Amino acid sequence: EAGVVQSPRYKIIEKKQPVAFWCNPISGHNTLYWYRQNLGQGPELLIRYENEEAVDDSQLPKDRFSAERLKGVDSTLKIQPAELGDSAVYLCASRSANTEAFFGQGTRLTVV
Amino acid sequence: AQRVTQPEKLLSVFKGAPVELKCNYSYSGSPELFWYVQYSRQRLQLLLRHISRESIKGFTADLNKGETSFHLKKPFAQEEDSAMYYCALSQGAQKLVFGQGTRLTINP
Repeated sequence: EAGVVQSPRYKIIEKKQPVAFWCNPISGHNTLYWYRQNLGQGPELLIRYENEEAVDDSQLPKDRFSAERLKGVDSTLKIQPAELGDSAVYLCASRSANTEAFFGQGTRLTVV
Repeated sequence: AQRVTQPEKLLSVFKGAPVELKCNYSYSGSPELFWYVQYSRQRLQLLLRHISRESIKGFTADLNKGETSFHLKKPFAQEEDSAMYYCALSQGAQKLVFGQGTRLTINP
């Protein structure tokens, strides 16, 4: 099994442009997380899904960030418009009730 | 609100020396604690969880509810242990909160 798959691995965009990240979780995992990790810091939760429902999006900056998990499988995270401070690694993870969270490789976003 | 604190951003020890990475948490319920590790150019992965009470790669961690700590220990460090280590706390309903991480460097 490939594990959690994220794409792209790297993205460089100019500020004010839109960007989207994609995540394919492990099959059968109901819980999906999006985290943001700034340099030298731990992962910070942006949003958590249980199946297709966003159950915790309190840390998501809703003025520019949006996410969806149609059909409770794949998920996309979008930023529009991007700001310089959005430069970070965006991590996706998935989990079932009886397992730990498994992480993808992450998408490294650079906003210039 | 739940919080995880790792007081050391950097820790450097010599090969063969004991290692202890500190983790303290604040949570009012019964937490589930984890240690995750990230080796160079690899994804974040689970090292161990407190409920399994097992030793992984020579590492152990004991949950001390009185001191609200979950320190990670290894009696004899190896060079391949150099990595970023993150303590994490999970409460009911699958929420997962991470500490800031400790970069462990094992010197030859």
